[in-house]
Amino acid sequence: KQEVTQIPAALSVPEGENLVLNCSFTDSAIYNLQWFRQDPGKGLTSLLLIQSSQREQTSGRLNASLDKSSGRSTLYIAASQPGDSATYLCAVNNQGGKLIFGQGTELSVKP
Amino acid sequence: GAVVSQHPSRVICKSGTSVKIECRSLDFQATTMFWYRQFPKQSLMLMATSNEGSKATYEQGVEKDKFLINHASLTLSTLTVTSAHPEDSSFYICSARDRAVNTEAFFGQGTRLTVV
Repeated sequence: KQEVTQIPAALSVPEGENLVLNCSFTDSAIYNLQWFRQDPGKGLTSLLLIQSSQREQTSGRLNASLDKSSGRSTLYIAASQPGDSATYLCAVNNQGGKLIFGQGTELSVKP
Repeated sequence: GAVVSQHPSRVICKSGTSVKIECRSLDFQATTMFWYRQFPKQSLMLMATSNEGSKATYEQGVEKDKFLINHASLTLSTLTVTSAHPEDSSFYICSARDRAVNTEAFFGQGTRLTVV
């Protein structure tokens, strides 16, 4: 059974810092991995999608990497801003399109 | 990215009544939609997979008679919470994929259900 773990559970950083969020999964037989952002009481916004054959994806200040063999992914946020404050979720797709989510990392960027 | 619209965003209902939540893919056809449930400070848990024109597949522990799912068209899936109880209060989110399994999943805005 696929299990997804995210560390840390919460993170507080001053504005401008670069930071890394971690995601690990137990079953490496995945189709893809997706990073999401969730603001309080809101739905999910897709940030980056990495296919199993890819090693990384970049979008603006965000960079996500994938090491399928070791069951790890990282989300790198450069030059963090207060507007980046949210919960970040990673999810793996390894069976028919179903996503298995991690518990999320709650990020707070202080001005 | 593609747009998934979920309605209503908030609903309060009395115990024993039923509530219907709609999930629409606005600019693509979704043969498969997924329904998730999220408790406060917790992650999303998959409830069921909704396939257009066929019965939904429920995850272990999810009561199919309580959470009725209908996927009548390629752009609409509905979740009906029947005979709601306070413990059904939660945040419900749907997602849809554009046909192919490996493509990006897009999520609705979520529905906050409160049963009083």
